[in-house]
Amino acid sequence: AQSVTQPDARVTVSEGASLQLRCKYSYFGTPYLFWYVQYPRQGLQLLLKYYPGDPVVQGVNGFEAEFSKSNSSFHLRKASVHWSDWAVYFCAEWTGGYKVVFGSGTRLLVSP
Amino acid sequence: AQTIHQWPVAEIKAVGSPLSLGCTIKGKSSPNLYWYWQATGGTLQQLFYSITVGQVESVVQLNLSASRPKDDQFILSTEKLLLSHSGFYLCAWRGQFNQDTQYFGPGTRLLVL
Repeated sequence: AQSVTQPDARVTVSEGASLQLRCKYSYFGTPYLFWYVQYPRQGLQLLLKYYPGDPVVQGVNGFEAEFSKSNSSFHLRKASVHWSDWAVYFCAEWTGGYKVVFGSGTRLLVSP
Repeated sequence: AQTIHQWPVAEIKAVGSPLSLGCTIKGKSSPNLYWYWQATGGTLQQLFYSITVGQVESVVQLNLSASRPKDDQFILSTEKLLLSHSGFYLCAWRGQFNQDTQYFGPGTRLLVL
């Protein structure tokens, strides 16, 4: 069964520092991949999405992600974290049908 | 522009009582619709999906049911709530093309006591 792994349940970053949130997918082919952000007590908002093509994808609010088929990864990056980035981040994949599989999420804490 | 609305915003219910949660999508015809459940601090568990009016597929069995009475409406319900039903319920829609993005509603928070 397809799965998405986010190995870091919690990441703490100082404001202004760079960020990387890790995501590994299991699909043997090339999936469609997404990163979502969830602010407290809210639904999920799309940050960026990857369709087969350029491996580096630009998203909103300075986020980008890089797809690696050799590593089965889709890590999220940001050059300079802002306090407003404090949220939970979910990686997700679609490989066909009507099912989208989500990772367990990474809680980002931003320290002053 | 498409909008997705969920109601109610939050509910506190007693164990054994019935429940009905609703979701409406405006500005998109024939969307694929989804219900997800999220435990506090947890990941999203897909519950149901629907590709057309009157047709709903179950993904997991949690003593819940879903219906799609109209093209733009998706209802989640149960006749008897369990403590384990507590959590955050999210409705989402996606276009007809399989690779389309899912867009989520604001969610309904449910506490079962």
